[in-house]
Amino acid sequence: ETGVTQSPTHLIKTRGQQVTLRCSSQSGHNTVSWYQQALGQGPQFIFQYYREEENGRGNFPPRFSGLQFPNYSSELNVNALELDDSALYLCASSQATVIYGYTFGSGTRLTVV
Amino acid sequence: DQQVKQNSPSLSVQEGRISILNCDYTNSMFDYFLWYKKYPAEGPTFLISISSIKDKNEDGRFTVFLNKSAKHLSLHIVPSQPGDSAVYFCAARPFGNEKLTFGTGTRLTIIP
Repeated sequence: ETGVTQSPTHLIKTRGQQVTLRCSSQSGHNTVSWYQQALGQGPQFIFQYYREEENGRGNFPPRFSGLQFPNYSSELNVNALELDDSALYLCASSQATVIYGYTFGSGTRLTVV
Repeated sequence: DQQVKQNSPSLSVQEGRISILNCDYTNSMFDYFLWYKKYPAEGPTFLISISSIKDKNEDGRFTVFLNKSAKHLSLHIVPSQPGDSAVYFCAARPFGNEKLTFGTGTRLTIIP
């Protein structure tokens, strides 16, 4: 059973650029959530996808968008990057019908300069 | 508005003793609570959870206690081991919603 894998592990972008982060869900999981963890903070919910549809969104602006594919992998896109977008981005997968905790990936460390 | 609070940023405990990590919440709609453990350069790992219909859940060395009237939960680790050194996050979820709200974490250091 593979876990959740994220790519890339580290990324440096310039303010104003766009970035795409990728996530492969754990086998058998059909729900993917994205979280942003700023330094010294807990993870903050960005949005969730269930069967390719957005299924809930946190307090993030529309320049944060996502996709889920038929194989349940997912992308997080951020447009017009700002310095405050520098953070660890975590992807988590789960089976919607199971109330166990999510399985998290190791994250992508994004630095905006 | 921080709905889940971990007021102790760090905690040091002697190996073999009990570690107690605390968490408070403000949202009465939360009905499921989870603890995650995070090592550097890794994602959070699920540790233990508790439903609001219970006041205690135990799994090996880990026990979570929930006091709904006080909106408080705690994680007890006994005996503490060096491998328990990590950042511990408390998280909560309202009924029927997969969104987790996390606290800011407590860094636990086990002293050999």
